[in-house]
Amino acid sequence: DSGVTQTPKHLITATGQRVTLRCSPRSGDLSVYWYQQSLDQGLQFLIQYYNGEERAKGNILERFSAQQFPDLHSELNLSSLELGDSALYFCASSVEAGVQTDTQYFGPGTRLTVL
Amino acid sequence: DAKTTQPPSMDCAEGRAANLPCNHSTISGNEYVYWYRQIHSQGPQYIIHGLKNNETNEMASLIITEDRKSSTLILPHATLRDTAVYYCIVRAYSSGSARQLTFGSGTQLTVLP
Repeated sequence: DSGVTQTPKHLITATGQRVTLRCSPRSGDLSVYWYQQSLDQGLQFLIQYYNGEERAKGNILERFSAQQFPDLHSELNLSSLELGDSALYFCASSVEAGVQTDTQYFGPGTRLTVL
Repeated sequence: DAKTTQPPSMDCAEGRAANLPCNHSTISGNEYVYWYRQIHSQGPQYIIHGLKNNETNEMASLIITEDRKSSTLILPHATLRDTAVYYCIVRAYSSGSARQLTFGSGTQLTVLP
């Protein structure tokens, strides 16, 4: 158990809908990262937050957004869903951005299925 | 971050050592080598990391060549539960910059009974 929690575990929805994925980082971790893993793309970085502020963006679509709250939990919002958004979404957390050996610990993921 | 090259698949007999190689010939001085594994759609699990010295923890050993252009992850006594995709990731340290991990295709390790 990495200490990172994600809810829900599974999510099934229809095209055009909007969903919210939630991540609670390990106690004391300030950075949260979101990754997407689809069958044809592998694990891809989406976005990073550090202590409530966006730090970096990866291959995140404009239909997707995220935020990190004062209690450090994070939410990933996916809107106008398409079939191709079906994937595993992982959250990872680490102690602090900029620390030399800043290890990321991953949650169990949310499996999103868009029908 | 430097690119890594790993064999797509490897087999290992249960109870034997599993040696997973990784090439990172363009690695630079401030880049660390990290290893993660992913067991069948679970979240990636951190294994070990190192800069230039060999490292060992309760899960594995990491051997980095003197020129740092390649490394080997060693699972000393592989079990069936070690069957997973193993990712070798090179990651730079840069203060204040993004710290995301860049995953390649990894090595599918299958531990055989």
